[in-house]
Amino acid sequence: NAGVTQTPKFQVLKTGQSMTLQCAQDMNHNSMYWYRQDPGMGLRLIYYSASEGTTDKGEVPNGYNVSRLNKREFSLRLESAAPSQTSVYFCASSAGSGSRYEQYFGPGTRLTVT
Amino acid sequence: KNEVEQSPQNLTAQEGEFITINCSYSVGISALHWLQQHPGGGIVSLFMLSSGKKKHGRLIATINIQEKHSSLHITASHPRDSAVYICAVTFGNEKLTFGTGTRLTIIP
Repeated sequence: NAGVTQTPKFQVLKTGQSMTLQCAQDMNHNSMYWYRQDPGMGLRLIYYSASEGTTDKGEVPNGYNVSRLNKREFSLRLESAAPSQTSVYFCASSAGSGSRYEQYFGPGTRLTVT
Repeated sequence: KNEVEQSPQNLTAQEGEFITINCSYSVGISALHWLQQHPGGGIVSLFMLSSGKKKHGRLIATINIQEKHSSLHITASHPRDSAVYICAVTFGNEKLTFGTGTRLTIIP
């Protein structure tokens, strides 16, 4: 099993460009998450999907959209990238959305917006 | 405000030393997680606990619910333990709130 995979691993965008970060999991998990990690700060939740067909905002959703394409895939879209979105983005999944469930993380995407 | 604080921020120790990393949180929680982030960036879950103590190999995690405090211990530390260790908790909203991490460096 590959676990949680993310593409791309690295990306450089110019301000105003758009892109989609892809995430897929092969563990038949119901819940999926997008986080961003910035220096000196803890991981922060951008959006999550508790189950296929549902998505909800997290702590820092502005400037992002998500799509839960199917049970396996959860994508994050930046419509008009800004330098403040320079960060490392992690996708994660868990069997359920409550506190009892361990989260499994992808390898991350390092995004730079110039 | 629901907060998670870790200490120390950075820790350097000699190989073989006993390591303790601390995590405190502001209000009652449902569960506490310890995660390890490798120098390459990958994040791995080490423990999930809501009471007592768990042990896996040389790693031990404890939690004191009354004091709102958890510790991660590493016995007989090794250079391969060098990583960032992250504490995360679930408050009432059932979403993870993360600490800023403790960067551990073990010198041979």
